[in-house]
Amino acid sequence: AQKVTQAQTEISVVEKEDVTLDCVYETRDTTYYLFWYKQPPSGELVFLIRRNSFDEQNEISGRYSWNFQKSTSSFNFTITASQVVDSAVYFCALNEYNTDKLIFGTGTRLQVFP
Amino acid sequence: EAGVTQFPSHSVIEKGQTVTLRCDPISGHDNLYWYRRVMGKEIKFLLHFVKESKQDESGMPNNRFLAERTGGTYSTLKVQPAELEDSGVYFCASSPVERGGTDTQYFGPGTRLTVL
Repeated sequence: AQKVTQAQTEISVVEKEDVTLDCVYETRDTTYYLFWYKQPPSGELVFLIRRNSFDEQNEISGRYSWNFQKSTSSFNFTITASQVVDSAVYFCALNEYNTDKLIFGTGTRLQVFP
Repeated sequence: EAGVTQFPSHSVIEKGQTVTLRCDPISGHDNLYWYRRVMGKEIKFLLHFVKESKQDESGMPNNRFLAERTGGTYSTLKVQPAELEDSGVYFCASSPVERGGTDTQYFGPGTRLTVL
């Protein structure tokens, strides 16, 4: 069965701290896609990254980086030198190749304090 | 380029009433999806349109929910009659290609539905 687990319900950090959001997934497929979305207080879901199951290279985009490890079925997201504007709910999601729907985790609420 | 838009942003209705939510996808996107997040839980898939056809409606909770996408452009999701457990945030998403499974879905801001 497909499942995405985000065990951290809420994380609070002080500005400039690094923070890692965990995501663990379950799937029987060998071809699948993983996503991270950000939901700021305004409510919309903002796409951050998509990664396919054949590409285990870590990715860095500015202060954001993603660590994809198939051996542990994890796709963790790290924010370096966090800022108040990073405060949001972050969702990890799975899309198996033969379906068109996203399976979401329950989200992690990140609060960055000045 | 305009993103996915949803209307209304917030709706408060009483149990037993009818509500219609609207979604306008990104122009040119054939795939349109509806999702729902009930308070504190994960965002769950409701259904998927490819143009005007329902490709997958396995997530629709019951027959009180009716989704349409006439002409393959905007979509509506009607709840009739609404029940308390229908409260939540309804998200719409769209993606560009005919087989949407491998494409990124872009989401709208959601409609917060409160049923009293």
